[in-house]
Amino acid sequence: AQSVTQLDSQVPVFEEAPVELRCNYSSSVSVYLFWYVQYPNQGLQLLLKYLSGSTLVKGINGFEAEFNKSQTSFHLRKPSVHISDTAEYFCAVTKKTSYDKVIFGPGTSLSVIP
Amino acid sequence: DGGITQSPKYLFRKEGQNVTLSCEQNLNHDAMYWYRQDPGQGLRLIYYSQIVNDFQKGDIAEGYSVSREKKESFPLTVTSAQKNPTAFYLCASGTDSIYGYTFGSGTRLTVV
Repeated sequence: AQSVTQLDSQVPVFEEAPVELRCNYSSSVSVYLFWYVQYPNQGLQLLLKYLSGSTLVKGINGFEAEFNKSQTSFHLRKPSVHISDTAEYFCAVTKKTSYDKVIFGPGTSLSVIP
Repeated sequence: DGGITQSPKYLFRKEGQNVTLSCEQNLNHDAMYWYRQDPGQGLRLIYYSQIVNDFQKGDIAEGYSVSREKKESFPLTVTSAQKNPTAFYLCASGTDSIYGYTFGSGTRLTVV
């Protein structure tokens, strides 16, 4: 079975500073990896995903993530955050099969301080 | 535009009453899911359905029921047996794993 760990439950960061949200996963088979963002009182929105190929993937809103197979990690980064980036961020994983459930991490709350 | 519609956005009910949350999608997705989210917590899977007329229990199915009579619709009923129903409920749909899930905007249920 797959599992996802997000080591930081809360990350405060000053506006225009860089940020990294950490995600580690566990799986005995090859997986697809996702990052979702949830703004207050809204549903989740897909930020980016890693399927195969280049380990650095770029998403919406200036976010990017790097897949590291040896460390089973998929950390999310942004070089300069904005107030509007304040939200909950979820890392997720699913098996590389034609269809399977997505397993979500517990989430990281990013607070951008003006 | 394709998407998932959850209604209502806010719902208030008295303790002991059953309540049904609506979830409709026009994405032609085979699979649909219901999650519960409590403050500061992640997503907990309630029920899911991968095909019409079939559904499976998730991690916290007790006190909830669902139906999947149409591909587009996956309503969730919160019954009086659910001990602590006040929460934010999210519906999602999916197709091939490569795409992940598409989420609705959620229903916030408050039981008084």
